[in-house]
Amino acid sequence: NAGVMQNPRHLVRRRGQEARLRCSPMKGHSHVYWYRQLPEEGLKFMVYLQKENIIDESGMPKERFSAEFPKEGPSILRIQQVVRGDSAAYFCASSPGQGAGYEQFFGPGTRLTVL
Amino acid sequence: GDSVTQMEGPVTLSEEAFLTINCTYTATGYPSLFWYVQYPGEGLQLLLKATKADDKGSNKGFEATYRKETTSFHLEKGSVQVSDSAVYFCALSDRVVSQFYFGTGTSLTVIP
Repeated sequence: NAGVMQNPRHLVRRRGQEARLRCSPMKGHSHVYWYRQLPEEGLKFMVYLQKENIIDESGMPKERFSAEFPKEGPSILRIQQVVRGDSAAYFCASSPGQGAGYEQFFGPGTRLTVL
Repeated sequence: GDSVTQMEGPVTLSEEAFLTINCTYTATGYPSLFWYVQYPGEGLQLLLKATKADDKGSNKGFEATYRKETTSFHLEKGSVQVSDSAVYFCALSDRVVSQFYFGTGTSLTVIP
């Protein structure tokens, strides 16, 4: 059973460009979470999605950031008009259910560098 | 709101030394508690977890006990190895919402 997959592993963008980060959850998992890790900091929750629904986006910046998890295909985190402050590692996690007892399985992350 | 406070690093230990990484939490409900480990260039891997008070999670020689009275979940290992060098994150998951709250991470380096 393959783990959570993320691509690309590294992404370089110039200011003003768009960044698209993809996450394929583990087989059988329908709950996906996105986190951002800034240098020397812990992970900060961004958004929680189930298939075709955004459940909790309380950690997402109000502008330029969006996320989706379509019925078919991976979850996408999209950052429009990137700025240098968006440079970070973005991690996706998936779980088989909702609630405190469920472990979240993490992908290897996408490291975004904005020049 | 919910939060996790973790001992700051970096921590450097000699091989076979005793390890403690402190973690305390604030939560309104009855959270589950986790320790994750992150090796260089990789994502987070679950190390151990505890879902209720007085539970002890253990894995690969690491242990942590869920202490409700002190709101703590300290990570311990009796004898560390060079291969334990990594960043360790304490986290909690609230029963009501599904997001995890992470500490800032503690970098551990074990020298031979």
